[in-house]
Amino acid sequence: GAVVSQHPSWVICKSGTSVKIECRSLDFQATTMFWYRQFPKQSLMLMATSNEGSKATYEQGVEKDKFLINHASLTLSTLTVTSAHPEDSSFYICSASGLGYNEQFFGPGTRLTVL
Amino acid sequence: GENVEQHPSTLSVQEGDSAVIKCTYSDSASNYFPWYKQELGKRPQLIIDIRSNVGEKKDQRIAVTLNKTAKHFSLHITETQPEDSAVYFCAASSGTDKLIFGTGTRLQVFP
Repeated sequence: GAVVSQHPSWVICKSGTSVKIECRSLDFQATTMFWYRQFPKQSLMLMATSNEGSKATYEQGVEKDKFLINHASLTLSTLTVTSAHPEDSSFYICSASGLGYNEQFFGPGTRLTVL
Repeated sequence: GENVEQHPSTLSVQEGDSAVIKCTYSDSASNYFPWYKQELGKRPQLIIDIRSNVGEKKDQRIAVTLNKTAKHFSLHITETQPEDSAVYFCAASSGTDKLIFGTGTRLQVFP
């Protein structure tokens, strides 16, 4: 099956610093990648959709200048949380699609803790 | 935009009993409805999905039904086992590939 990896699996950073999370599709070309945020005991909330080579589309209420998304190739998308604050602490999950139908393949997630 | 509601938020059943989780969606253009199982700290795992041209789909102990007229779909798990305990999410997609998730159901199966 389609495999999506994410790196790092967890990260702890100081308030005010930036953190980059990578999402890779290992065995297929992902024309579209999605970034979700999940707070404890809550659902997955879509943050943005990115297509290879174009700007990401952000969901309402998500600050595009704070959550920078780059989808430079068909196998890699990155999410950079800039000037992170404790309220940005969350579980960030990416997913990828591109096999011709709606199914999304999820990465294992990155747990971000901002001190 | 699409809105997906999910009920119940928690569900406790005895091992061997059936469990039913229900979702409603708002966008009549939605045509893809997956169900995910998520264990603590892990990624969501697709357990079954259904498309709008089908009314029911079954895979061993798991089945999903879709009522397009009423805009709701349900997950049915029969002969529940303790390892079925997890959080289950429904989702809907309208062809843009964007998935909108329900609020989740915490299923506990007691031995």
